[in-house]
Amino acid sequence: SQQGEEDPQALSIQEGENATMNCSYKTSINNLQWYRQNSGRGLVHLILIRSNEREKHSGRLRVTLDTSKKSSSLLITASRAADTASYFCATASTSGTYKYIFGTGTRLKVLA
Amino acid sequence: EAGVAQSPRYKIIEKRQSVAFWCNPISGHATLYWYQQILGQGPKLLIQFQNNGVVDDSQLPKDRFSAERLKGVDSTLKIQPAKLEDSAVYLCASSPPGVYGYTFGSGTRLTVV
Repeated sequence: SQQGEEDPQALSIQEGENATMNCSYKTSINNLQWYRQNSGRGLVHLILIRSNEREKHSGRLRVTLDTSKKSSSLLITASRAADTASYFCATASTSGTYKYIFGTGTRLKVLA
Repeated sequence: EAGVAQSPRYKIIEKRQSVAFWCNPISGHATLYWYQQILGQGPKLLIQFQNNGVVDDSQLPKDRFSAERLKGVDSTLKIQPAKLEDSAVYLCASSPPGVYGYTFGSGTRLTVV
């Protein structure tokens, strides 16, 4: 079963625009991660945010976490064609096994 | 640092046949995971190892799937017999102890015909 659910399922934007995707989850978490997956390839870890953090930045990426709403958002600023990929959130529960459950993903297409 | 190695990259088999996938994690990564990703979906955890012990295999279809991690390093995942619905990408990932991101391998794309 999927813990997280990304929204929107698909997003198409022009190069240079910002892309925002959201993740909602159901149970309490220890931390949340975002991954990128290019077509036919493995997943690449982008950023990890812990449950006691509200915002993190990494280059053009900005992640926010609202534990009261059980939601997170990933913002990619000044998008590039190379950002075209699927983006997944993954949550680790508070049980301590660091078992990550992935969401359904957002397919981002950046048009040149 | 070498990444997570998986083989084969692609495999096509007929239903009811058996198949095995191999994974070599990053050196020193104690935790190893196998995920199944069906086209259009997010990865689903099949099994998690800590060193050579199983931490979680609650979503592994044990009547047909098996996995082992000998000596706490390499791991193999086997399907016997395969069904059409097993067609998916099988991803291996590893991580050091503690709260870190996973490093994923490129995956094995299985097609069952």
